[in-house]
Amino acid sequence: TQLLEQSPQFLSIQEGENLTVYCNSSSVFSSLQWYRQEPGEGPVLLVTVVTGGEVKKLKRLTFQFGDARKDSSLHITAAQPGDTGLYLCAGARVAGGGADGLTFGKGTHLIIQP
Amino acid sequence: GAVVSQHPSWVICKSGTSVKIECRSLDFQATTMFWYRQFPKQSLMLMATSNEGSKATYEQGVEKDKFLINHASLTLSTLTVTSAHPEDSSFYICSAREGRYNEQFFGPGTRLTVL
Repeated sequence: TQLLEQSPQFLSIQEGENLTVYCNSSSVFSSLQWYRQEPGEGPVLLVTVVTGGEVKKLKRLTFQFGDARKDSSLHITAAQPGDTGLYLCAGARVAGGGADGLTFGKGTHLIIQP
Repeated sequence: GAVVSQHPSWVICKSGTSVKIECRSLDFQATTMFWYRQFPKQSLMLMATSNEGSKATYEQGVEKDKFLINHASLTLSTLTVTSAHPEDSSFYICSAREGRYNEQFFGPGTRLTVL
């Protein structure tokens, strides 16, 4: 079973601060995705990382995929209250044509206080 | 991104009744859809993989006779919770896969409450 350990589970910080969320596994994933979910809604895809060492930026969010494709991080710069939500990392178990679902981390509940 | 809808958004039913939840891919065809379950303050747990035109693949511990999945077309998968009980109350979310890297796009979820 491929597991994704996500940390921290809960994080509450002040507006303007920086933060990093980590997603680690002992297994290799063909790709890794980050989602953000608000209460009562489905997760929304933020980014997909595929190549080891890859870095992608989405405004104030920076995503990195580890060189060995076993871990990933999400860094938020100058967090804002609108960043509040549940952040989920998810690894794809099969490359490309497989029919397997994603393996999700337990999520990071992020609260940005104004 | 691809759009996935779910219906209903929420449902309240009596214990012992069956409830059907629909998942539709609105602007693309999906040969594979997925059903997840989420409890409060927790992450998503994959229940089953729904394959168009064939039987669903269930995760370990998920009762296939209780959670019936039908994927009759390339844009629709249904999950029927049979003989629902209060412990089946949860947030059910579907997703459809599109793209080269197994990216999944999620529906808005269905809140099921069994009284």
